[in-house]
Amino acid sequence: NAGVTQTPKFQVLKTGQSMTLQCAQDMNHNSMYWYRQDPGMGLRLIYYSASEGTTDKGEVPNGYNVSRLNKREFSLRLESAAPSQTSVYFCASSDRGPDQPQHFGDGTRLSIL
Amino acid sequence: AQKITQTQPGMFVQEKEAVTLDCTYDTSDPSYGLFWYKQPSSGEMIFLIYQGSYDQQNATEGRYSLNFQKARKSANLVISASQLGDSAMYFCAMREGYYTGRRALTFGSGTRLQVQP
Repeated sequence: NAGVTQTPKFQVLKTGQSMTLQCAQDMNHNSMYWYRQDPGMGLRLIYYSASEGTTDKGEVPNGYNVSRLNKREFSLRLESAAPSQTSVYFCASSDRGPDQPQHFGDGTRLSIL
Repeated sequence: AQKITQTQPGMFVQEKEAVTLDCTYDTSDPSYGLFWYKQPSSGEMIFLIYQGSYDQQNATEGRYSLNFQKARKSANLVISASQLGDSAMYFCAMREGYYTGRRALTFGSGTRLQVQP
C-alpha cells in the first residue's frame, strides 16, 4: 500500500543550487498536486496537474517548475534555490469526483542555506 | 479575505471529552467541498472527513462529525471521546470550482489540539 511516495525525505541545499523533488502515486489518480508548508501555517498550492499532460500554477508558483512525466509521476524542480524556499513540500493525488480527498505523501523537508 | 479561517491556534481537551474545532469559510461558488485533515507530529497528512455544499446531512466518520452550518459558512469538526492519539494539528480545507476544472484545496492555518490525560 505505497500510495503517494516522495523522494527525498530530507535535503539541504546551498543558495543557487538546483534540485528536483520526485513524486509517484500508485492509485491510478488523474490529478496531482504540489504544496508547501511553512512553520505554523497551512499548506499552500504551488502547482497542480488535473490530468496527464496538463499543469497549472497555484498560489505560490514563483521559483518552481513542474513536469507531469506520466500518469504516475509529478516532479517539482527548483532551478535556483533561495532561502525563502526552505519549507516542507507535500505531493498529493486525488481521484475523480468532488468528494474525493487528496492523498498526501509523507513530505520532503528542504533546507536552503 | 481569507478563504478558510481557523480562529483557534491551540486547544486543550481532557481525555474522553468531546471537542469542537472551528472553521469558517468564504466562497461565492455554490458548489464546494470542505475537508478536514489531521497532521500528527510525525508530519503526514491524514484525511478525516468530507462535507459537500449540497449535502443535506452533517457528515460523520466514526468519532468525527462535522457541524455544517451553510448560512453561517461554518464547518466545525467535532471529535467525540478524545483519545491521547488525537493530539495533532488539524486543518480545514476547501475545494471550490470542481466542475470548472479546479481540483486543489485551500487550507486554513490549523488548530493544534492537545489531549490531556
